[in-house]
Amino acid sequence: SQQGEEDPQALSIQEGENATMNCSYKTSINNLQWYRQNSGRGLVHLILIRSNEREKHSGRLRVTLDTSKKSSSLLITASRAADTASYFCATDLRKTSGSRLTFGEGTQLTVNP
Amino acid sequence: EAQVTQNPRYLITVTGKKLTVTCSQNMNHEYMSWYRQDPGLGLRQIYYSMNVEVTDKGDVPEGYKVSRKEKRNFPLILESPSPNQTSLYFCASGEYNEQFFGPGTRLTVL
Repeated sequence: SQQGEEDPQALSIQEGENATMNCSYKTSINNLQWYRQNSGRGLVHLILIRSNEREKHSGRLRVTLDTSKKSSSLLITASRAADTASYFCATDLRKTSGSRLTFGEGTQLTVNP
Repeated sequence: EAQVTQNPRYLITVTGKKLTVTCSQNMNHEYMSWYRQDPGLGLRQIYYSMNVEVTDKGDVPEGYKVSRKEKRNFPLILESPSPNQTSLYFCASGEYNEQFFGPGTRLTVL
């Protein structure tokens, strides 16, 4: 199964509400990244959190990482209709020969106006 | 403008007809990678390259080939496409802390 697994698979909220998405992984990581994908388009990098960090902020995004539970969460505050997209976590399983990013299946977020 | 380009964007082909999907980046990145995206399976890495002439298998390399003769280009080759390779393909380049994705190539193999 995938290294990163997002939860929930789908989330529907009203504009202005907060959206929380979770990601669990199985093995030790170097860092964890969150990406966003608008329907049928390429992924866009949102934020990276290193394995020695516990929380990180970027604008309306807040990411937490709990390495003991092998989990991360992405919080989008004061959501907007334009936040409607799929969100993926990606774990960096650094190997001696190079970097490998392993993606989860994503959470489909719908923000209703 | 910094970008990753892929061509073609859409392709319908038949089983067994060799095809190449090109990928080019203008950001001087050493790292490039190919993914396929399928419903219910998320993104899966096909091949990646750490630098010119250095390539390695990802999670689902069967049926695919790649080459990295120049830093900016990383073509994906399907020698004998089959219907199970119908998918949305993404090329990406970047550093360890961020990858930049191309717009995707939607491939249908009949």
